[in-house]
Amino acid sequence: GENVEQHPSTLSVQEGDSAVIKCTYSDSASNYFPWYKQELGKRPQLIIDIRSNVGEKKDQRIAVTLNKTAKHFSLHITETQPEDSAVYFCAASNDYKLSFGAGTTVTVRA
Amino acid sequence: EAQVTQNPRYLITVTGKKLTVTCSQNMNHEYMSWYRQDPGLGLRQIYYSMNVEVTDKGDVPEGYKVSRKEKRNFPLILESPSPNQTSLYFCASSLSATPTYEQYFGPGTRLTVT
Repeated sequence: GENVEQHPSTLSVQEGDSAVIKCTYSDSASNYFPWYKQELGKRPQLIIDIRSNVGEKKDQRIAVTLNKTAKHFSLHITETQPEDSAVYFCAASNDYKLSFGAGTTVTVRA
Repeated sequence: EAQVTQNPRYLITVTGKKLTVTCSQNMNHEYMSWYRQDPGLGLRQIYYSMNVEVTDKGDVPEGYKVSRKEKRNFPLILESPSPNQTSLYFCASSLSATPTYEQYFGPGTRLTVT
C-alpha cells in the first residue's frame, strides 16, 4: 500500500518568514496530493491540492510543488502569520484510498 | 447547511462492549470514509465506501466494521472494543466516487476504551 512520509514533524518560524513542509510517497499510481490544515481541537480542512499532471499550484501565500519522478511534493507558506499556526497534513491518493502523512506542527512566533 | 455529522462526540466505554459511531452527510456525496487520528501517526484510513453497498478496507481495518445501506449514512461499528482503539475518529465524505477530491470531515468522535 501507499506510504507517505512527512518532514519535519515540528517547525517553528518567525512571523513573516517562509515555511516549507516536504512529503514523499511510495505508490506510483497516486495521482492526487492534497494538503490539510488542522487547528487545535478542530477538524482537518483542505487548503490546497495538486494533481499528477501539474507541477506547481499557488493560492495567495500558499504553494505546492510536485515532482512525480522523485515521488515527492512540498507545501510552501510565505509571509507566515500567527493564524498559520496549526498542524499540516500531506496526503496521497490513488482512485481508491487516501493515505496521510504523520503531520507537521507549525508554530509562528510573533 | 452542508455538513458531515457524527455522534456521539465523546464516548467512554469498557472493553468488549459493542458500540456504534454514526456518520451522516447531507451533500449527496458518493465517497465516505473513516479515519482514526493518533499522536505522531497522523490520520489513518479505517474503511471507505465508494457507493451504496460498496465498502472496502483502508490501512487499519482490524477490529472495525462498517455498512453503507444508504448514501447519506456510514456507521462505524466496534464489535468488541479494546484499549488500543482509544483514539479520535473522523468521518469524511467527498463528492466524487473516488478520494481524488476534497474530503469534508465531520467534527470528530473522541473514544476512550478502558
